[in-house]
Amino acid sequence: NAGVTQTPKFRVLKTGQSMTLLCAQDMNHEYMYWYRQDPGMGLRLIHYSVGEGTTAKGEVPDGYNVSRLKKQNFLLGLESAAPSQTSVYFCASSKDRVYGYTFGSGTRLTVV
Amino acid sequence: GENVEQHPSTLSVQEGDSAVIKCTYSDSASNYFPWYKQELGKRPQLIIDIRSNVGEKKDQRIAVTLNKTAKHFSLHITETQPEDSAVYFCAATSGTYKYIFGTGTRLKVLA
Repeated sequence: NAGVTQTPKFRVLKTGQSMTLLCAQDMNHEYMYWYRQDPGMGLRLIHYSVGEGTTAKGEVPDGYNVSRLKKQNFLLGLESAAPSQTSVYFCASSKDRVYGYTFGSGTRLTVV
Repeated sequence: GENVEQHPSTLSVQEGDSAVIKCTYSDSASNYFPWYKQELGKRPQLIIDIRSNVGEKKDQRIAVTLNKTAKHFSLHITETQPEDSAVYFCAATSGTYKYIFGTGTRLKVLA
């Protein structure tokens, strides 16, 4: 049982480039989330999904898009990367709304 | 808006002593309160949680208490060990999609 797997683990982008972060879970969880973690700011929700084919905005959605075409996968896209998007990105999934999260191992993204 | 305040931001204790981290939430509808531990460079991991119909929950050396009237909940770690050194995050949710996370407490256990 792998849990939640994120790829890639590290990435350096130039300003204006695009990329997609992949998140896959094998626990049959309905709920999936993308967070970013910045020093002193805790975890902030970017986008989330309550089931296959659904997505919704979180606290800080600007500059990001997501898709959940399959229940087990949740993709986070950056269309035109900016230095302000330098951060550690965590994917998480949960069985239900009022339930603990299982986090992926994170992606450290640097935009130069 | 909804928020969760977490204190202290850093905490140093001697090995074997107890550590207490406190969180205060603003949304009175909050009914689920998890705690996560994040070791350096690792992912956050759920260590304990409590629901609003319970006042206290224990799991070996860790416990969480909830005071709904005062809208605060606390993490208690007894007999601290060096491997307890990490950042601890509290969170609260009312059953909507949204967890509100605290800003974290860096715990250092001094040998």
